[in-house]
Amino acid sequence: EDKVVQSPLSLVVHEGDTVTLNCSYEVTNFRSLLWYKQEKKAPTFLFMLTSSGIEKKSGRLSSILDKKELFSILNITATQTGDSAIYLCAVTTRGSQGNLIFGKGTKLSVKP
Amino acid sequence: ETGVTQSPTHLIKTRGQQVTLRCSSQSGHNTVSWYQQALGQGPQFIFQYYREEENGRGNFPPRFSGLQFPNYSSELNVNALELDDSALYLCASSLKGDNEKLFFGSGTQLSVL
Repeated sequence: EDKVVQSPLSLVVHEGDTVTLNCSYEVTNFRSLLWYKQEKKAPTFLFMLTSSGIEKKSGRLSSILDKKELFSILNITATQTGDSAIYLCAVTTRGSQGNLIFGKGTKLSVKP
Repeated sequence: ETGVTQSPTHLIKTRGQQVTLRCSSQSGHNTVSWYQQALGQGPQFIFQYYREEENGRGNFPPRFSGLQFPNYSSELNVNALELDDSALYLCASSLKGDNEKLFFGSGTQLSVL
């Protein structure tokens, strides 16, 4: 059975800290890995990764994929209270018609 | 905001009833997917619609059904509601051929009593 496991499930940090969120997966015919941020209800797209070792960056956020070890990390530097959210990792497989397999998410709380 | 709108935002039903949830996709997007997110869980894929036909389905029973209309808007229907159907129902739109990058609406919070 295809599965995506995120760790930790929750994390509390102070503003200015750097955090690393983890996502490991076991799927058949891997196609891509995606990160989403869910603040209230609607998850918003952060990154899509398909190739190993190529870092994607957007401001203070960055992510990288390791297809050999079957995991990805999401880094957030100089955290701000606005980074407080649930971060979801999802994987797609070939021929899956857009079916994203999500992990349970990591709930990040950034304290002032 | 993504431009994907869902209605209603909240809904309370009793066990055995039927419910219809609605979704308007982002302008230019021709594919709509529905997800169920239980409390403390990640979203789970229900099904996807493209050109008014079901284009993929997750592990949900037949009492979960859907429609897509010519303007690409969509409905999710659930019959014979069960307590475990209580969840946030998320609609997402995308472009066929780029349907991994989903744009989600804010969801409908369904409570079944």
